Amino acid sequence: KQEVTQIPAALSVPEGENLVLNCSFTDSAIYNLQWFRQDPGKGLTSLLLIQSSQREQTSGRLNASLDKSSGRSTLYIAASQPGDSATYLCAVPRGGGADGLTFGKGTHLIIQP
Amino acid sequence: GAVVSQHPSRVICKSGTSVKIECRSLDFQATTMFWYRQFPKKSLMLMATSNEGSKATYEQGVEKDKFLINHASLTLSTLTVTSAHPEDSSFYICSATDGRMNTEAFFGQGTRLTVV
Repeated sequence: KQEVTQIPAALSVPEGENLVLNCSFTDSAIYNLQWFRQDPGKGLTSLLLIQSSQREQTSGRLNASLDKSSGRSTLYIAASQPGDSATYLCAVPRGGGADGLTFGKGTHLIIQP
Repeated sequence: GAVVSQHPSRVICKSGTSVKIECRSLDFQATTMFWYRQFPKKSLMLMATSNEGSKATYEQGVEKDKFLINHASLTLSTLTVTSAHPEDSSFYICSATDGRMNTEAFFGQGTRLTVV
């Protein structure tokens, strides 16, 4: 059974810092990995999708890497801003992608102004 | 990205009543929709998978008679919480896909259900 773990559970840093969020998964036979952002009381916003054949994906100040063999992914946020404050979730497909996702518990990020 | 609309965003109901939550794909045909439940400080947990025109598949431990799912069209799935009780209070989120393998998942805005 696939398990997804995110470290740290919570993180608070001053504005402007670069930071790294970690995600690990137990079954490396994944098709892709997706990072989401969730604001309090809201749904999920997709940030980045990395296919299993890719090593990284970038979108603006966000960079996600994937090391499938070791079961790890990182989300790098450059020059953090208060607006980046949210919970960040990583998820992997339960099967080929048509069976839903398995999520980590998330990292609650606070960027101090 | 694709747009998935979920309604209502918040609902408060009395214990014993039923509540219906709608999930719509606005700009694509969703052959498959997923319903998740999120407890405070916990992961999202998949409740059920619904395919258009067929019965939903429920995860172990999810009561299908309590959580009725209908996916009657390629753009709409509904989750009805029947005879709601306070322990059903939670955050429910839907996700939709066009059924292709290995594609990005898009989620609705979520529904905060409070049963009093």
